[in-house]
Amino acid sequence: KNEVEQSPQNLTAQEGEFITINCSYSVGISALHWLQQHPGGGIVSLFMLSSGKKKHGRLIATINIQEKHSSLHITASHPRDSAVYICAVGSNFGNEKLTFGTGTRLTIIP
Amino acid sequence: SQTIHQWPATLVQPVGSPLSLECTVEGTSNPNLYWYRQAAGRGLQLLFYSVGIGQISSEVPQNLSASRPQDRQFILSSKKLLLSDSGFYLCAWSALREGEQYFGPGTRLTVT
Repeated sequence: KNEVEQSPQNLTAQEGEFITINCSYSVGISALHWLQQHPGGGIVSLFMLSSGKKKHGRLIATINIQEKHSSLHITASHPRDSAVYICAVGSNFGNEKLTFGTGTRLTIIP
Repeated sequence: SQTIHQWPATLVQPVGSPLSLECTVEGTSNPNLYWYRQAAGRGLQLLFYSVGIGQISSEVPQNLSASRPQDRQFILSSKKLLLSDSGFYLCAWSALREGEQYFGPGTRLTVT
């Protein structure tokens, strides 16, 4: 079974700071997902990637398959970025049974 | 566009009572469907997934069950709730042969 670890568990930063959240996993995967969970509980998929790097607005996700490691970066952070960010890995592309990390709680202070 | 609905949004039930949570997806056909639970202070856990009508796979043995009576309908049930069933239940769907999952708004269940 894949073990997914995220760091840090909690992160508080000032508005405008560059944010990095890390995720490592123990077993080879088909794809890695980054999810955002808002205070009300709703979850939004940010990225799904199996290699390289993806960018969407101020968010960047990278993955290193050999090192079994992924990072989520937020540039020019804003208080509306405050949320829990969850890393999840899938083992069977097209029928993804995801294993989740415990999440990183990000708080951006104005 | 595709939409996923879950209801109810919140639920308070006594121990030993039955449970039925419903999830429906609009705007797509033959989706993969998933039920997840997030217990307080813990990560998401996959409970059930389905690749078609009547096809259910269970990931965690427990007193919950799932059914898929129609292509875009997924139901989570229990005959007798336990205190440990409290949590936030999320339904999700993905398109056939695509990995990205789309989550519903969730149901917050409190068993008292």
